Amino acid sequence: GESVGLHLPTLSVQEGDNSIINCAYSNSASDYFIWYKQESGKGPQFIIDIRSNMDKRQGQRVTVLLNKTVKHLSLQIAATQPGDSAVYFCAENTGNTDKLIFGTGTRLQVFP
Amino acid sequence: GAVVSQHPSRVICKSGTSVKIECRSLDFQATTMFWYRQFPKKSLMLMATSNEGSKATYEQGVEKDKFLINHASLTLSTLTVTSAHPEDSSFYICSANRVRFNEQFFGPGTRLTVL
Repeated sequence: GESVGLHLPTLSVQEGDNSIINCAYSNSASDYFIWYKQESGKGPQFIIDIRSNMDKRQGQRVTVLLNKTVKHLSLQIAATQPGDSAVYFCAENTGNTDKLIFGTGTRLQVFP
Repeated sequence: GAVVSQHPSRVICKSGTSVKIECRSLDFQATTMFWYRQFPKKSLMLMATSNEGSKATYEQGVEKDKFLINHASLTLSTLTVTSAHPEDSSFYICSANRVRFNEQFFGPGTRLTVL
C-alpha cells in the first residue's frame, strides 16, 4: 500500500527578499538556543545562537528572536540568496547537560 | 576554526556485517562527543553521548549492544554498528564539544546503506 510520511515544512522566497523561519521549542527550562543550516548530504553548520537572558541577537544578515513567554524562536535572514537554500534547524539546550535537542526543521527554497 | 571529520563519508555493506565510523576533532580536544542519526527529511536524533575514558550514555530506545561507542582519546570517538540490517541505513553525524567552550562542532556525516 501507499505510505504517507511527514514532510519538512518548506518556505519559498524570492531572491533578495527577507526570510523568517520559525521554531517552537519544548522545554521551558532551556536556556541556550542555536540555529543550524544543513545542506544536502552535509552536517549541520552553526549560524547563530542566543541565550535566554536575551530576546534578540544579530549577526551578519541574520537575526534571532526569542520569545520565552510562548517558547518561540525565529530566524530572520535578510536579502536571501540562492546559497541560503538549505534545511534550517533550531536546537535547544537546558544547560544542565551538553545535549542539544533539535527541532523538526524547515526547508528554505530561494528562487530567482 | 574547529573542524570535525568523519570517516568514511559513505559506506555500503551487506546485512549482518559490522561497520565502524570514526569521528575526529582535528584541531581541538573534545572530552565529549555526540552521535546523531538522521533519516531522510527528518531531524537529527541524539543516539548517545560519548565521554573520553568512560562509557557512553545512550538515549532511551537506542540499543547499546547494537551501537558500540568508544571514545579512546580526546580527539577520537568511534561508532560501530554491529550486525547491520537494512533498517540501520541512515545518515550518522557526530559532533564534538570543545573543552571549556559550550559549543558543538558537527562532522560532515556518514551515509550508511545496508543491503
